[in-house]
Amino acid sequence: GAVVSQHPSRVICKSGTSVKIECRSLDFQATTMFWYRQFPKKSLMLMATSNEGSKATYEQGVEKDKFLINHASLTLSTLTVTSAHPEDSSFYICSARDYSGRDNEQFFGPGTRLTVL
Amino acid sequence: QQPVQSPQAVILREGEDAVINCSSSKALYSVHWYRQKHGEAPIFLMILLKGGEQKGHDKISASFNEKKQQSSLYLTASQLSYSGTYFCGTELLTGNNRKLIWGLGTSLAVNP
Repeated sequence: GAVVSQHPSRVICKSGTSVKIECRSLDFQATTMFWYRQFPKKSLMLMATSNEGSKATYEQGVEKDKFLINHASLTLSTLTVTSAHPEDSSFYICSARDYSGRDNEQFFGPGTRLTVL
Repeated sequence: QQPVQSPQAVILREGEDAVINCSSSKALYSVHWYRQKHGEAPIFLMILLKGGEQKGHDKISASFNEKKQQSSLYLTASQLSYSGTYFCGTELLTGNNRKLIWGLGTSLAVNP
């Protein structure tokens, strides 16, 4: 199956710093990628849909200026958590759909665990 | 719009069967099933695209009842490796960006 990578896998930072998370589709072109946030034992919460070459579409309640998304190429999307605070600590997961595949399945990256001190 | 999953949690002994349901209040284009283990990303199980479609591999199968706007995941002769949280993701007929809306998950524990 297709592979989606995420980097870094874990980051610990001080309050007020910005953190960038990269999401790459390794063997297919992803015109659309999705960014999720997940709290312990909770469901996946869609934050935004990242579209290559255009602005991201944010879900209601997600601050655009806080969570900056850039989809610079067909294989790379980045999420920047600006001026991170302890309440931003969470598990962030990206995913990409392979629309060329038979099932159009959505592949998830391994996730990034962010801890803000 | 969020699909409702039931039950919330299941505990099985190895070899037992389980059914997990996913219901939507909106008309669906597709239903996706994933399994997530603690601290890991969700892993794709299968997608059902048409009403009445059934799919399966090994001892895990699923059905999609378009009329009832629901899907069921069937786990037969469960193995220890089946433990995890199962999520259904639904794609609406009238949705844009083809984004998936996720249920809250069903926690499955398979004990020896």
